[in-house]
Amino acid sequence: ETGVTQSPTHLIKTRGQQVTLRCSSQSGHNTVSWYQQALGQGPQFIFQYYREEENGRGNFPPRFSGLQFPNYSSELNVNALELDDSALYLCASSLARGRGTDTQYFGPGTRLTVL
Amino acid sequence: AQKVTQAQTEISVVEKEDVTLDCVYETRDTTYYLFWYKQPPSGELVFLIRRNSFDEQNEISGRYSWNFQKSTSSFNFTITASQVVDSAVYFCALSEARAGTYKYIFGTGTRLKVLA
Repeated sequence: ETGVTQSPTHLIKTRGQQVTLRCSSQSGHNTVSWYQQALGQGPQFIFQYYREEENGRGNFPPRFSGLQFPNYSSELNVNALELDDSALYLCASSLARGRGTDTQYFGPGTRLTVL
Repeated sequence: AQKVTQAQTEISVVEKEDVTLDCVYETRDTTYYLFWYKQPPSGELVFLIRRNSFDEQNEISGRYSWNFQKSTSSFNFTITASQVVDSAVYFCALSEARAGTYKYIFGTGTRLKVLA
């Protein structure tokens, strides 16, 4: 196990609602990345947080937003849910060490279904 | 543009057979990292290996081996003597350091089914 936890495991929402997903990063890690994985596809990068600040964003609309807390845990918020938001949402933690990447370790994901 | 292609959507083998999963990547950067992850039915992505662009040495870890060839932009993964527990979706990923964002670009994955 990686030590990265996510909650909830599953979630069902209706179109137009708002949702908050949570992630607890691995001990000692200060960077959290969020990915969306649609059925049968590879994960797509949503955004990354480093020391509580957004550190890059993928091609997702502003209704996808996030937070990182002083203990490096993180939230992903999605407003005005659409049917296409149904997916597995993965959180990954890593320790950024300046230039070059560190390995990202993934949590078990939250499966979101939008009806 | 950065891109990772896993042309094999699904592979089925019989237990104890060897199997190779292909990964081809595109990048204009000279410094980049390549990864393989395993995704069992539970959904969690399990890290298998990381390779940087300056290290083309092949690697072996137990029944797993990886062949990195910059000349063909490929990073292939071979499982020797496959087992039923190897059944999963395998993802290849590329990471570049763009303006300090170390995002991963994933392929679409290869579903491996190992039959007893």
